[in-house]
Amino acid sequence: RKEVEQDPGPFNVPEGATVAFNCTYSNSASQSFFWYRQDCRKEPKLLMSVYSSGNEDGRFTAQLNRASQYISLLIRDSKLSDSATYLCVVTGSSGSARQLTFGSGTQLTVLP
Amino acid sequence: SAVISQKPSRDICQRGTSLTIQCQVDSQVTMMFWYRQQPGQSLTLIATANQGSEATYESGFVIDKFPISRPNLTFSTLTVSNMSPEDSSIYLCSVEGWEGASSYNEQFFGPGTRLTVL
Repeated sequence: RKEVEQDPGPFNVPEGATVAFNCTYSNSASQSFFWYRQDCRKEPKLLMSVYSSGNEDGRFTAQLNRASQYISLLIRDSKLSDSATYLCVVTGSSGSARQLTFGSGTQLTVLP
Repeated sequence: SAVISQKPSRDICQRGTSLTIQCQVDSQVTMMFWYRQQPGQSLTLIATANQGSEATYESGFVIDKFPISRPNLTFSTLTVSNMSPEDSSIYLCSVEGWEGASSYNEQFFGPGTRLTVL
């Protein structure tokens, strides 16, 4: 079983749609959780940290369920510029508190 | 976020040669890391670059193949030694922990070095 699992997609949605990505992690001792986005041929960029209480940043909402070892990202009112690969990232999955373990990414294409 | 630069941005190399990649940050950072992203894959941590001491390597990566230096809090190098076509990848440095960051454990990435080995 992979340490961090994501649905690879691709998700093709029309502009304005709401889309949700899910991620599960295997190590219950994992400590920090993030969503990164990666545009084609670019480096990953931090989108948001994920907290147990859930957090929202504009059109983006992230949730963490420690009991189910599950992380989600909700994007409302999708824009063309949201097209990217979204990476679920967990620290502490492999014994190191600082080591980032990346999911394989979920590809999103927002269509006009 | 801190400004991170990498040199070179890309290179094409012959098998058996070595390439040194530089990572420069515009402010002092606590942690620096090196990752590899092979074509169509996600990122894999190679090692943690420790300032003033030997790097800490992840399983599957060894110092002889990927020697790393970190002489100060703003600079690190990764060398890919005795290259083979299987080393063709994007190599990224990341940093964590600098004054002004919103959260101490958030990592930010350099633009990457795209390496092709023939």
